[in-house]
Amino acid sequence: DGGITQSPKYLFRKEGQNVTLSCEQNLNHDAMYWYRQDPGQGLRLIYYSQIVNDFQKGDIAEGYSVSREKKESFPLTVTSAQKNPTAFYLCASSKEWGRTYEQYFGPGTRLTVT
Amino acid sequence: AQSVTQLDSHVSVSEGTPVLLRCNYSSSYSPSLFWYVQHPNKGLQLLLKYTSAATLVKGINGFEAEFKKSETSFHLTKPSAHMSDAAEYFCVVSVTTNAGGTSYGKLTFGQGTILTVHP
Repeated sequence: DGGITQSPKYLFRKEGQNVTLSCEQNLNHDAMYWYRQDPGQGLRLIYYSQIVNDFQKGDIAEGYSVSREKKESFPLTVTSAQKNPTAFYLCASSKEWGRTYEQYFGPGTRLTVT
Repeated sequence: AQSVTQLDSHVSVSEGTPVLLRCNYSSSYSPSLFWYVQHPNKGLQLLLKYTSAATLVKGINGFEAEFKKSETSFHLTKPSAHMSDAAEYFCVVSVTTNAGGTSYGKLTFGQGTILTVHP
């Protein structure tokens, strides 16, 4: 079955540590995205990638980094510079980059930093 | 700039009664509009989308939405609620904007509406 996988489902880290969240898709989609979800705030865009080897900052990129070395993979690193890293992180992809293309979401990773 | 307002943070209905989740949008350009559903601790699933074709859009699980440009609304409805419909619903707008000469689509999410279905 085609889809998006995110691992792990739950992640716990100590403050000051960097952590990398995995996102893999087998939909052959060009565009990929990372969102952060906090209670009552909808989803906010962290980074997006229109195509392999390219990525752009979203609305809340500070304290995060990404890479897009392969079409199917778009890992997100939460660095120690991110002030409030505890959140639910969602990865998504779309066939192409444009307003008419719906995004397909992975199951999410819940990160807790103490 | 674009924005989305979901008019109710919580909606509660009885099983078998109609569902109405309200969404208003603001956009300077012709938008695409989507409704997504999210069950607890899960990713988002697309219910339906509007991309400037028919204004009444039918989606999965018996949901539909009507695009009303004059009212800038895209309300989600279902004639008869089922217990499995209990979830959080997001209205989303997407427009094509330009950044550095490259056109792209950006999604703007509403705050979400939690739907509770009582037996």
